[in-house]
Amino acid sequence: GAVVSQHPSRVICKSGTSVKIECRSLDFQATTMFWYRQFPKQSLMLMATSNEGSKATYEQGVEKDKFLINHASLTLSTLTVTSAHPEDSSFYICSAEGRVDYPNYGYTFGSGTRLTVV
Amino acid sequence: RKEVEQDPGPFNVPEGATVAFNCTYSNSASQSFFWYRQDCRKEPKLLMSVYSSGNEDGRFTAQLNRASQYISLLIRDSKLSDSATYLCVVNNRDDMRFGAGTRLTVKP
Repeated sequence: GAVVSQHPSRVICKSGTSVKIECRSLDFQATTMFWYRQFPKQSLMLMATSNEGSKATYEQGVEKDKFLINHASLTLSTLTVTSAHPEDSSFYICSAEGRVDYPNYGYTFGSGTRLTVV
Repeated sequence: RKEVEQDPGPFNVPEGATVAFNCTYSNSASQSFFWYRQDCRKEPKLLMSVYSSGNEDGRFTAQLNRASQYISLLIRDSKLSDSATYLCVVNNRDDMRFGAGTRLTVKP
């Protein structure tokens, strides 16, 4: 079945630094990647949607200059949290959608990244 | 080995069928468990929590087996509107781990 590999699974960084999170689709081509975050005891919240080769679409309230999303290829999307602050500490997860002309895998989630900013 | 594993499917069933999804988890210290549902191009939404005693919500029944470390979701009398991806979610002490999702298509 379709697999999305997300790394790192956990990261601790200092305030002011940047952190990059990668999601790779291992056996299918991800035309669309969704990035979510989840704060403690809350549901997943969609941050942005990216399509391969085009700019990401951000949800209201999500700063596009702070959360840089790159979806340069059909198998790799990255989320970079720039100048991280403690309030950015959260659980980040990606979800990939495959190409319509491939077997339709639906939505495949990465396993998530726990970011702690100290 | 993934911390949370689900059969990715797809499951293609006729309307009215009963379908069951299973999910296994590797962390015996996991504390709480959930089933999420995700519709096409929408964010996942919580379907139901899973309790040790088992719980039922209409046509949906969730069960937890801590000894065997698996949870299940049973959908009775499937409707076309049940077509979605169902995510198994396991809450550990300091994080939540997601299964990759099981895709269900209910056909007329």
